[in-house]
Amino acid sequence: EPEVTQTPSHQVTQMGQEVILRCVPISNHLYFYWYRQILGQKVEFLVSFYNNEISEKSEIFDDQFSVERPDGSNFTLKIRSTKLEDSAMYFCASSRGLGYQETQYFGPGTRLLVL
Amino acid sequence: EDQVTQSPEALRLQEGESSSLNCSYTVSGLRGLFWYRQDPGKGPEFLFTLYSAGEEKEKERLKATLTKKESFLHITAPKPEDSATYLCAVPVLILTGGGNKLTFGTGTQLKVEL
Repeated sequence: EPEVTQTPSHQVTQMGQEVILRCVPISNHLYFYWYRQILGQKVEFLVSFYNNEISEKSEIFDDQFSVERPDGSNFTLKIRSTKLEDSAMYFCASSRGLGYQETQYFGPGTRLLVL
Repeated sequence: EDQVTQSPEALRLQEGESSSLNCSYTVSGLRGLFWYRQDPGKGPEFLFTLYSAGEEKEKERLKATLTKKESFLHITAPKPEDSATYLCAVPVLILTGGGNKLTFGTGTQLKVEL
C-alpha cells in the first residue's frame, strides 16, 4: 500500500540554524500539506501546496518557512532560522484531489528539537 | 472559526469493555468529518470519513457515527492493541488552488488494559 515517507525521523539543531525536512508524498497525489504538532497539543495546519505553488498558509507559516517541490517526488519544508518554539513534530500529508471528502494521508513525522 | 472539541481527554478501559468517544464541532455548514488514530511518536493514521449526518462506518471493533453537531467513535470489546490517541478533524476547503485543510481536535487518549 502506498504511503507518505519523511526524512529524517529526528533532527536536532541549534537555534538560528536552517533545517530542511523532506517528504515523499504518495505518487499519484496532487495536493501536499505540512502540519505540525507541539508536544501535548493539537495537530495544526501550516501550509498547502498544489501545482507548484502555495495555495494556503496559516499564521504560523511566516517568512522563516518555505516549501518546495524540487523534483517529481520530493516535497520539502525549510525553516531558515530556527527558534526554540519551532520544536515540534512535523507531518507531511498528501491527498489525491480537491474537495471536502478527499482523505489526507500522513507521513510518520519528523521530530525537530531546537536547542 | 471552526472549533473541534473531543471528550474525554483520556479514557482507560479494561479489555472487552465497550465505550464511546465524542467529537463535537461548530462549523459553518457540515461538510464531513475525519477520524484518525495516532500512536505515540507517529503520524495520524486514517480511519474513517463521514460525509453526512446519519452516516455510519465500521472497521473491526470501531464504528463511527455522525450527527449534525457531533460524531461518536464506538469501540466494541476493545483489545490492548486499540490503545492510541483518536483524533477527529473537520475539513475547510481551500478556495484558491483547491484541497482542504484539516482542523483537528485535541484527541482522546485511549488505554486498554488486560
